[in-house]
Amino acid sequence: RKEVEQDPGPFNVPEGATVAFNCTYSNSASQSFFWYRQDCRKEPKLLMSVYSSGNEDGRFTAQLNRASQYISLLIRDSKLSDSATYLCVVILRMDSSYKLIFGSGTRLLVRP
Amino acid sequence: DTGVSQDPRHKITKRGQNVTFRCDPISEHNRLYWYRQTLGQGPEFLTYFQNEAQLEKSRLLSDRFSAERPKGSFSTLEIQRTEQGDSAMYLCASSFRQGGTLNTEAFFGQGTRLTVV
Repeated sequence: RKEVEQDPGPFNVPEGATVAFNCTYSNSASQSFFWYRQDCRKEPKLLMSVYSSGNEDGRFTAQLNRASQYISLLIRDSKLSDSATYLCVVILRMDSSYKLIFGSGTRLLVRP
Repeated sequence: DTGVSQDPRHKITKRGQNVTFRCDPISEHNRLYWYRQTLGQGPEFLTYFQNEAQLEKSRLLSDRFSAERPKGSFSTLEIQRTEQGDSAMYLCASSFRQGGTLNTEAFFGQGTRLTVV
């Protein structure tokens, strides 16, 4: 089983739609969580951190459910420019180790 | 440009040759990571440095792979006797750890795309 799992999609939605992605993680020692965005043939870039209480940044809302070990990303009023791959990222800290574990990504296509 | 830089951006090599990639992290970032990414997959963790110490190495990293960060600044990733399966994008990222802070953003370089023919 992968440490971080995501539905690969693609999610094909019209402009203005609301779309939600989920991500599950297997290691309960996971301590921090992020969503990264990756455009085609570009490097990943931080979209937002995910806090236990949930957090919102404009059209984007992230939620964390530690009991069920999943995080979610909600995008409201989708724009064409939101088309990208969204990577779920978990920080695993064990002893002196500290590493970011990525999911395979969920691809979003927003159509006119 | 004060971001993470990687060199070269592209590398085509013949099977069996050795290749070396360089990563210059953001100045003063004490953590440096190497990842490998293939088409349709997320980045896979390879190794992690805190300052000059290599604290973890993935099982994905065979003994043909070695990484160094000799002065705690730039890092190199060497692949010996390359195989076609090594073809991928190699990404470097850096972050800064201060105290017990965990929610520190990792900044990625643009990657080195390796093609083994």
